[in-house]
Amino acid sequence: DAGITQSPRHKVTETGTPVTLRCHQTENHRYMYWYRQDPGHGLRLIHYSYGVKDTDKGEVSDGYSVSRSKTEDFLLTLESATSSQTSVYFCAISDAQNYGYTFGSGTRLTVV
Amino acid sequence: KQEVTQIPAALSVPEGENLVLNCSFTDSAIYNLQWFRQDPGKGLTSLLLIQSSQREQTSGRLNASLDKSSGRSTLYIAASQPGDSATYLCAANSGGGADGLTFGKGTHLIIQP
Repeated sequence: DAGITQSPRHKVTETGTPVTLRCHQTENHRYMYWYRQDPGHGLRLIHYSYGVKDTDKGEVSDGYSVSRSKTEDFLLTLESATSSQTSVYFCAISDAQNYGYTFGSGTRLTVV
Repeated sequence: KQEVTQIPAALSVPEGENLVLNCSFTDSAIYNLQWFRQDPGKGLTSLLLIQSSQREQTSGRLNASLDKSSGRSTLYIAASQPGDSATYLCAANSGGGADGLTFGKGTHLIIQP
């Protein structure tokens, strides 16, 4: 999607290894979010950020950490990946005016 | 806590028909309501964003309505085409932060050629 990119697009990693996913935006939006999407559960919020160095937990934050050192970048880290974290991860951004959300193309993560 | 329900869960119609997808939400204190489309294995594409002060929004063959008082929104697709086949997601937005978007489980739409 225009203005928001995620990397990598696909990743396979082993159980117990750390993994970092990156979200980059060029829209200068205040809010950034990490969601995971799983069959039967839909989209669930992991963590979000409301400014540089300002982050908070979402619905399913256990096992994940985030950092936002610049307005444009929001990193999601799995400290020690587990098979239950196999999922598709989406980053999203929204501004503080109309609160419309824009989603990235997603990262498909497989933990083996 | 906001809850969003989409009906039907799946819909299959022949090409050319007009159709309506339904979305209901439990808490009327929303900033806006957003409709997304998701193709298999792909991300979410925003279709329409209706602010709480608006009644409807239109984009091409798509029209979305919002009735906050009854907690309902509809997505109307005119003259459906096979390319419209996708999952359609409705999301109620309570503002930024953790209470932001609450998604429905989606309507899986198939348009038969």
